[in-house]
Amino acid sequence: EAQVTQNPRYLITVTGKKLTVTCSQNMNHEYMSWYRQDPGLGLRQIYYSMNVEVTDKGDVPEGYKVSRKEKRNFPLILESPSPNQTSLYFCASKTGAGGYTFGSGTRLTVV
Amino acid sequence: AQSVTQLGSHVSVSEGALVLLRCNYSSSVPPYLFWYVQYPNQGLQLLLKYTSAATLVKGINGFEAEFKKSETSFHLTKPSAHMSDAAEYFCAVSEGGTSYDKVIFGPGTSLSVIP
Repeated sequence: EAQVTQNPRYLITVTGKKLTVTCSQNMNHEYMSWYRQDPGLGLRQIYYSMNVEVTDKGDVPEGYKVSRKEKRNFPLILESPSPNQTSLYFCASKTGAGGYTFGSGTRLTVV
Repeated sequence: AQSVTQLGSHVSVSEGALVLLRCNYSSSVPPYLFWYVQYPNQGLQLLLKYTSAATLVKGINGFEAEFKKSETSFHLTKPSAHMSDAAEYFCAVSEGGTSYDKVIFGPGTSLSVIP
């Protein structure tokens, strides 16, 4: 089944403790992206990657890092999480004009 | 620059009634347009897409949308609402059909279906 897999689904952490949210897709898509979804603000792009070793900032990159060492994986790294990064995060991938395939989301709470 | 507006952050319809969710876009070039649906506690799922072929696009679950260039609109409709249609709906625009074109999402419309 074609899918984007994110882990974990839920995560509660403390301020400053580094964490990684994993994302993997099995569709051989070139383009992968991370979004955060907040009430009233919709979906905002954090980082994206056009292919292996090619990443770039989206609209809200501060406090986040990404890497793309393999085509299928695109982890999101929070080096020092802060409470304002409490949000619902989505990984997504696409190719051509086919639209995005989204993961199921990661609900992150930073206390 | 691209942008997407969705009129009405919340829409309520009765079961069996017509569903109409509005989307207007701005784009400097012929756009690619998408509707996504998000059910509670799930990721977004592609409902349908317009990629410069037929202006009336049919999607999953009985939804369809019509591209109207003169009105810069891409409204989503369904003739008869079901309870299972209750969800958040997002319109999105892309200025190209390649993997690398940025997708801009609208703010979303929450659809409630009243029994």
